[in-house]
Amino acid sequence: EPEVTQTPSHQVTQMGQEVILRCVPISNHLYFYWYRQILGQKVEFLVSFYNNEISEKSEIFDDQFSVERPDGSNFTLKIRSTKLEDSAMYFCASSDQGRLGYEQYFGPGTRLTVT
Amino acid sequence: AQSVAQPEDQVNVAEGNPLTVKCTYSVSGNPYLFWYVQYPNRGLQFLLKYITGDNLVKGSYGFEAEFNKSQTSFHLKKPSALVSDSALYFCAVRDPADGNNRLAFGKGNQVVVIP
Repeated sequence: EPEVTQTPSHQVTQMGQEVILRCVPISNHLYFYWYRQILGQKVEFLVSFYNNEISEKSEIFDDQFSVERPDGSNFTLKIRSTKLEDSAMYFCASSDQGRLGYEQYFGPGTRLTVT
Repeated sequence: AQSVAQPEDQVNVAEGNPLTVKCTYSVSGNPYLFWYVQYPNRGLQFLLKYITGDNLVKGSYGFEAEFNKSQTSFHLKKPSALVSDSALYFCAVRDPADGNNRLAFGKGNQVVVIP
């Protein structure tokens, strides 16, 4: 069964450094998403991406964040200058928008620790 | 804006007993509702969804959920719990009237099935 994959599984970085989190969505899916979950809190929507552009973003997704689909398979989330409060589990998801009421399929997550 | 409430932090149930995980939602229009399960070190796995039609929906691993519009609820149920059902369960909602793709998640419920 096709799966969303994410790398790395765990990333430790120092405050102020740039990080790139990588995702490979399911191959025939058209919509891509990033969510995050701070420890003990809800899973929160960050951004959705379709047709090589952002289709929606939350108030969390400020200028420090960017997304890119650099080739036909990868989908990346970049945080330019990490802060302590960026420490969280980051989930990538993808969906087939062709079906009404589509479900989003999630990857296993990248745990980001900012020190 | 859509939101979900999962009122219990942890649900303990004996193996073989019925399992219920509660979820209530708030949307401006008719909701699309989803349940996901998260096992340790794994991503969110889709269990089932309600889009339209029969209020009782059946999903993976013997789970089902009942949509109740008057009570704005979408409780997850399983007639006979297994130890392997021990995991974190998330309810999520999408409001198609919003015109956006984001899922709003509840905080999750830890289910512990006692042998």
